[in-house]
Amino acid sequence: QVQLQESGPGLVKPSETLSLTCAVSGYSISSGYYWGWIRQPPGKGLEWIGSIYHSGSAYYSPSLKSRVTISVDTSKNQFSLNLSSVTAADTAVYYCARRLQVTRAFDIWGQGTMVTVSS
Amino acid sequence: QSALTQPPSASGSPGQSVTISCTGTSSDVGNYNYVSWYQQHPGKAPKLMIYEVSKRPSGVPDRFSGSKSGNTASLTVSGLQAEDEADYYCSSYAGSNNLVFGGGTRLTVL
Repeated sequence: QVQLQESGPGLVKPSETLSLTCAVSGYSISSGYYWGWIRQPPGKGLEWIGSIYHSGSAYYSPSLKSRVTISVDTSKNQFSLNLSSVTAADTAVYYCARRLQVTRAFDIWGQGTMVTVSS
Repeated sequence: QSALTQPPSASGSPGQSVTISCTGTSSDVGNYNYVSWYQQHPGKAPKLMIYEVSKRPSGVPDRFSGSKSGNTASLTVSGLQAEDEADYYCSSYAGSNNLVFGGGTRLTVL
């Protein structure tokens, strides 16, 4: 079955760039679907960060657009998130997920990875 | 864009029905039939329960149903069971390739 697994540093210093990767197994990214990142600050709700198509077309949340880059590497069957100039407000569990193309619903999620921004 | 509005909490006794609302605007919920609902148990990843307002993915019990009227979408859980106790989030397409989530509702089974 399709599985997603996030990886990356659990601790990032303020003003630096947060970088995470989502490895996809059981499905070839180049076959289709959108792939996305969603985050959840401790004790708070979900926030959509952005989504990318296997072709590389990416769309970002307007509130994060100036700091976010999402990229896809079909050769490694993975996609990545870069969030620059982080502050404590970016501390959250970061999830990667597969997004249904038309409905915009995320049907398969990774387990999530906690990222703390602190010096 | 602003987050969709959900009540912070909802509750019901086993066997009862509970409805959770999700209020947006004419730019998101009211303009698109792309409303989804997610269930999240503590420490776990969200799980898709409803998509396109009222469709259930394979494996989701038919006790879960969705609907929409105007700018407000709703999730109804019938025949409440203990395992339904969780946080529930709605989301909606908001145009221009944007997605917006609700603030979440904690459902308690009394």
